Amino acid sequence: QSVLTQPPSVSAAPGQKVTISCSGSSSNVGNNYVSWYQQVPGTAPKLLIYENNKRPSGIPDRFSGSKSGTSATLGITGLQTGDEADYYCLAWDSSLSSVLFGGGTQLTVL
Amino acid sequence: EVQLVESGGGLVQPGGSLRLFCAASGFTFSTYDMHWARQGTGKGLEWVAGIGTAGDTNYAGSVKGRFTISRENAKNSLYLQMNSLRAGDTAVYYCARGLPGGFDPWGQGTLVTVSS
Repeated sequence: QSVLTQPPSVSAAPGQKVTISCSGSSSNVGNNYVSWYQQVPGTAPKLLIYENNKRPSGIPDRFSGSKSGTSATLGITGLQTGDEADYYCLAWDSSLSSVLFGGGTQLTVL
Repeated sequence: EVQLVESGGGLVQPGGSLRLFCAASGFTFSTYDMHWARQGTGKGLEWVAGIGTAGDTNYAGSVKGRFTISRENAKNSLYLQMNSLRAGDTAVYYCARGLPGGFDPWGQGTLVTVSS
């Protein structure tokens, strides 16, 4: 069981908005940067959001990140069928001196 | 173009050893932290180990004492020496460049299968 908790799955219709949560503690999410990754099955993960809310070049502004206390959220607007993938959050844990991944959330665009 | 290419994966018996390689190009390798992560079939991502620019290392509890991460800046190369391998270590292993707030990019991965 992951220390960073994500919902196993979310779904929404094309064009709609979805949010994916990542819940942790003060030793990880609460006091360290959170990043988010998209992984299409069979391919390598791709960075979507870093430093809680920044987008790398090439990532559309349909993707956004936010953090409040010990929880972080990935938002995706204007859903497209190409957004179907697994999404993971990541944070450094200061107590464990380890990088932690969330358990992953499977996004289905209905 | 920033690129990471892993190699060295394969089939190994339980208790055996394997060394993974990650060749980096397109950036100044010596100035970045580097990491290994893995993903078992049908499972989520798991961080394995990281190494800083000064050679400082950190490991996941599940591999501490069995795996060793190292780097050779002159060759733009990252390594993962894996000893005392177990069936539970079977996974695709990825190397990734560490940024202040994330990992980017990731390599394509190399498959390690531990089985008799």
